[in-house]
Amino acid sequence: DAMVIQNPRYQVTQFGKPVTLSCSQTLNHNVMYWYQQKSSQAPKLLFHYYDKDFNNEADTPDNFQSRRPNTSFCFLDIRSPGLGDAAMYLCATSRVDRGNGYTFGSGTRLTVV
Amino acid sequence: QQPVQSPQAVILREGEDAVINCSSSKALYSVHWYRQKHGEAPVFLMILLKGGEQKGHEKISASFNEKKQQSSLYLTASQLSYSGTYFCGTESSGTASKLTFGTGTRLQVTL
Repeated sequence: DAMVIQNPRYQVTQFGKPVTLSCSQTLNHNVMYWYQQKSSQAPKLLFHYYDKDFNNEADTPDNFQSRRPNTSFCFLDIRSPGLGDAAMYLCATSRVDRGNGYTFGSGTRLTVV
Repeated sequence: QQPVQSPQAVILREGEDAVINCSSSKALYSVHWYRQKHGEAPVFLMILLKGGEQKGHEKISASFNEKKQQSSLYLTASQLSYSGTYFCGTESSGTASKLTFGTGTRLQVTL
C-alpha cells in the first residue's frame, strides 16, 4: 500500500545532542511537510517542500533544519534539542494541485532528557 | 492566525449528533477536516473547496461558508469509533498549499 513512513516511532535524545528524524513516501507526492505537535495542541507547520523548493515558516526556530534529497525522502534535523522540543513530529504529503487531503505518517515522538 | 474551533470539547451518547465549527480570520481557499485519535496521526476526513463540491462520508458531512470564512462538520448518529480530536485545517487564498490547523475539538462518544 502506498503510504508515508516515519522512523523511528519513538526517539530519545540527550539535551543538546543533534538528532535526525526521517520520513519516506511511496505516494509520489510533490509536497512534503513537517509538523510539530505538542501535547493537547494542534499540529504546527515547521516547513514544507514543493518538490525541492524549501519553504520555512517565519516562526520556525533556527535549531530546526530539513533536507529533501529526492521525491521520496525528507529529513528533519534538530541541531541542539532543548527540553521544549519534546513533541510528536509529523510528516505529511500531498499532491501539488491544491484541494487534496494530506496523508500523514504515524509520527515520531521525541523525548529530550 | 490559527482558526478557532468550537466547542472545545463535547461528550455524546452513541447515536447522538454533533456539530463542530471552525472560524478563520483569513480568506480561505479550502477547509480540511481531520480526526486524530490519542497517540496517532491525523486522518483525513474530507475537504471543502472554495466554489467546489463537498466531499464526505455517509454520516459525516460538512459545510463551508466562504463569505463568513467558516466551516462546520456534522456528525450524525455518532458511533464509539468517532471519538477523538477533530481538527479543521485551512488553506488561505493566495498562498501556496499549506495547512494551518484549528484549535481542535475533543469528542468523546459513550455508550
